[in-house]
Amino acid sequence: KNQVEQSPQSLIILEGKNCTLQCNYTVSPFSNLRWYKQDTGRGPVSLTIMTFSENTKSNGRYTATLDADTKQSSLHITASQLSDSASYICVVSVGSNYQLIWGAGTKLIIKP
Amino acid sequence: SAVISQKPSRDICQRGTSLTIQCQVDSQVTMMFWYRQQPGQSLTLIATANQGSEATYESGFVIDKFPISRPNLTFSTLTVSNMSPEDSSIYLCSVAGGHSEQFFGPGTRLTVL
Repeated sequence: KNQVEQSPQSLIILEGKNCTLQCNYTVSPFSNLRWYKQDTGRGPVSLTIMTFSENTKSNGRYTATLDADTKQSSLHITASQLSDSASYICVVSVGSNYQLIWGAGTKLIIKP
Repeated sequence: SAVISQKPSRDICQRGTSLTIQCQVDSQVTMMFWYRQQPGQSLTLIATANQGSEATYESGFVIDKFPISRPNLTFSTLTVSNMSPEDSSIYLCSVAGGHSEQFFGPGTRLTVL
């Protein structure tokens, strides 16, 4: 069964600190993995998208890693800001038909 | 990327009524998708809407409850019919980009009393 699991469910950190969010997946055939940021009441916005051959991809203070052997990905946020408070969702694309397997998301809260 | 707008942004409706949600894209796209996000949950795909063909519904979703129109390459509507409180959710449309990317609209927050 195709599935994506994320941890932790929620996380609270102080402004300026770093954090890492985890994603494990069991998806076949794997096409790509993307991380989305979803602000409360808004649609998801893509942060990074990685194919099988990519290990790391950065987008500003966001750095995603992918280990295709262990089927794990992480999203590292550096020097967190209050605006980083959101849900971060790991999504894996199956094959080439736009089928997406969604993780439940990690709710991140940045406190001043 | 594509710029996507949705109307209405939010609504409060009475049980038993229907609501039609509009999705407008600033460029022509072949594939559009409709998702539901229930409170505290991740996104669930309702259907895929391609211009010129019937929408394809996912398991658990039926056309009588969620009729979809796709009259052209920049517009789609989703109707939530005979609503009940369980239909209270955020409804999002998205469009397909390159490399199986998807771009999302801002969502419509629906509350059914």
